[in-house]
Amino acid sequence: KQEVTQIPAALSVPEGENLVLNCSFTDSAIYNLQWFRQDPGKGLTSLLLIQSSQREQTSGRLNASLDKSSGRSTLYIAASQPGDSATYLCAVAGKTSGNTPLVFGKGTRLSVIA
Amino acid sequence: SAVISQKPSRDICQRGTSLTIQCQVDSQVTMMFWYRQQPGQSLTLIATANQGSEATYESGFVIDKFPISRPNLTFSTLTVSNMSPEDSSIYLCSVLQATNEKLFFGSGTQLSVL
Repeated sequence: KQEVTQIPAALSVPEGENLVLNCSFTDSAIYNLQWFRQDPGKGLTSLLLIQSSQREQTSGRLNASLDKSSGRSTLYIAASQPGDSATYLCAVAGKTSGNTPLVFGKGTRLSVIA
Repeated sequence: SAVISQKPSRDICQRGTSLTIQCQVDSQVTMMFWYRQQPGQSLTLIATANQGSEATYESGFVIDKFPISRPNLTFSTLTVSNMSPEDSSIYLCSVLQATNEKLFFGSGTQLSVL
């Protein structure tokens, strides 16, 4: 059974710092991995999706990497801003996309202090 | 990207009553999913709702407690029946966009049961 772990559970950084969020999963037979952002009282927003054949994806100040063999992914946020404060969740899809539910980590709660 | 309208956004309910949550998508989608997020926990899939067939429930969730309707390709409802305080959670609907395999979420329903 796939298990997803995110470390740290919470992180507080001053504005402008670069930071890395970590995600690990127990079964390397994944189809893809997604990073989401969740704001209080709101749903989830998809940030980046990495297919199992890819090593990284970039969107603006965000870069996500995937090392399937070691069961790890990182989300790198450059030049953090107070607006980045949110909970970041990673989720992995099993071998058959759409037919296997995403397994989510518990998230990392990020606070960026102005 | 798919836009999902979910309502109600929050509700406070009495023990023993039922609440129906609605999700409307701005485009036709084959697969819709219902998740639960208990306080401090990750998202857990309740069921997959496909139009024209009965919903598929995950282990630990049953149709009598969480009946789901999927009358067409843009709409679904989840009912939380005979509620108890343990049902207090955020409930989220989501859809899988076939073009990019990303999962899009509604804004969630914050349910509190007294």
